[in-house]
Amino acid sequence: SQTIHQWPATLVQPVGSPLSLECTVEGTSNPNLYWYRQAAGRGLQLLFYSVGIGQISSEVPQNLSASRPQDRQFILSSKKLLLSDSGFYLCAEAVGSSHEQFFGPGTRLTVL
Amino acid sequence: GQNIDQPTEMTATEGAIVQINCTYQTSGFNGLFWYQQHAGEAPTFLSYNVLDGLEEKGRFSSFLSRSKGYSYLLLKELQMKDSASYLCAVRGITGRRALTFGSGTRLQVQP
Repeated sequence: SQTIHQWPATLVQPVGSPLSLECTVEGTSNPNLYWYRQAAGRGLQLLFYSVGIGQISSEVPQNLSASRPQDRQFILSSKKLLLSDSGFYLCAEAVGSSHEQFFGPGTRLTVL
Repeated sequence: GQNIDQPTEMTATEGAIVQINCTYQTSGFNGLFWYQQHAGEAPTFLSYNVLDGLEEKGRFSSFLSRSKGYSYLLLKELQMKDSASYLCAVRGITGRRALTFGSGTRLQVQP
């Protein structure tokens, strides 16, 4: 079975501060990994996906970036946070015969 | 691009049946998914349809009509724990396997 770890679970940061959110997955080798953001009262928005080490595709222009330094590690970063970066950040892996998205527990980020 | 519509909120009674509709417009289609999301938690996978018809899993069923761009999630014998948001999501035909999500339907089950 899949296990995804995300930390921290919650985070409160001032505007203009840097950000680093970490996601690690257990089990599968060379997983397809994803970062989604869910703003309050809105649907999940795909931010980045990665099919392997060092391979990152960005879905929307923003002040966030992602990196995949190891096979099972996916990191979301920002140099300077904006108020609009507040939200629930979810790391996911494509699993199963239907390749559904399996989500980690998420990080709730509040930018003040 | 992809556009997904589902009702914002629904209310139903414990023990009853509820149907949550989802319509979508997509430039390519490679599957429709339903997820359940309790407040403050991550979404969990409920069902997957790629061909027309009904898929049944216990108390939950999901239906797809590709020609109509339409799906519904049917919940039977509602329980209080079914109070949650239900997210409809569509996968396009690109190789990335990512999903485009609707805004979700918040279901409130009342005694």
